[in-house]
Amino acid sequence: GAGVSQSPSNKVTEKGKDVELRCDPISGHTALYWYRQSLGQGLEFLIYFQGNSAPDKSGLPSDRFSAERTGGSVSTLTIQRTQQEDSAVYLCASSSLRYSGTQYFGPGTRLTVL
Amino acid sequence: AQTVTQSQPEMSVQEAETVTLSCTYDTSESDYYLFWYKQPPSRQMILVIRQEAYKQQNATENRFSVNFQKAAKSFSLKISDSQLGDAAMYFCAYRSQTGANSKLTFGKGITLSVRP
Repeated sequence: GAGVSQSPSNKVTEKGKDVELRCDPISGHTALYWYRQSLGQGLEFLIYFQGNSAPDKSGLPSDRFSAERTGGSVSTLTIQRTQQEDSAVYLCASSSLRYSGTQYFGPGTRLTVL
Repeated sequence: AQTVTQSQPEMSVQEAETVTLSCTYDTSESDYYLFWYKQPPSRQMILVIRQEAYKQQNATENRFSVNFQKAAKSFSLKISDSQLGDAAMYFCAYRSQTGANSKLTFGKGITLSVRP
């Protein structure tokens, strides 16, 4: 079946603007994760969804970051008033209870804040 | 909190040779999962291999195998018969078994180059 998809692939924005990043998980996967990959910080966990609820949002770096998931499927990560330090690749992953909850990743969105 | 350490930032291997990528981790848990992911320039993170901590047998997937030393908290990846397509960043990752799903904790990654 289809893998995890993310859009847009690349996003360039100006400092202070809001951006929305989208993730479409593998069909039937109940768990969805957002990670951020940057040169200085490596791969960091942001938030985890189980169904539509977010039992772990401990990785969100500030209140400018928020995420939601609707219908147990698509998720949107929103960054308000973007800053240059938000520039990174944002990766989404999904998993099911099968295969030891192995997470399968999308191709990521590269965000550049000018 | 769990930590994952990949101390070698870069490695190089001759095509058709064998290379071993190192990873150590720190945890107080007894049940967990360990993973190696590959990230080529396309950015797509691809699962290479998975190891359940309760299994004593080392996982193997074709040319990829691990050396899992639970007491030493070591989880190295061996790539046999290296191919040009193996060139990528490789990340070691830890996941707790607590709860049905939990986040991955990654190492910093290692860049593997393959010489023709």
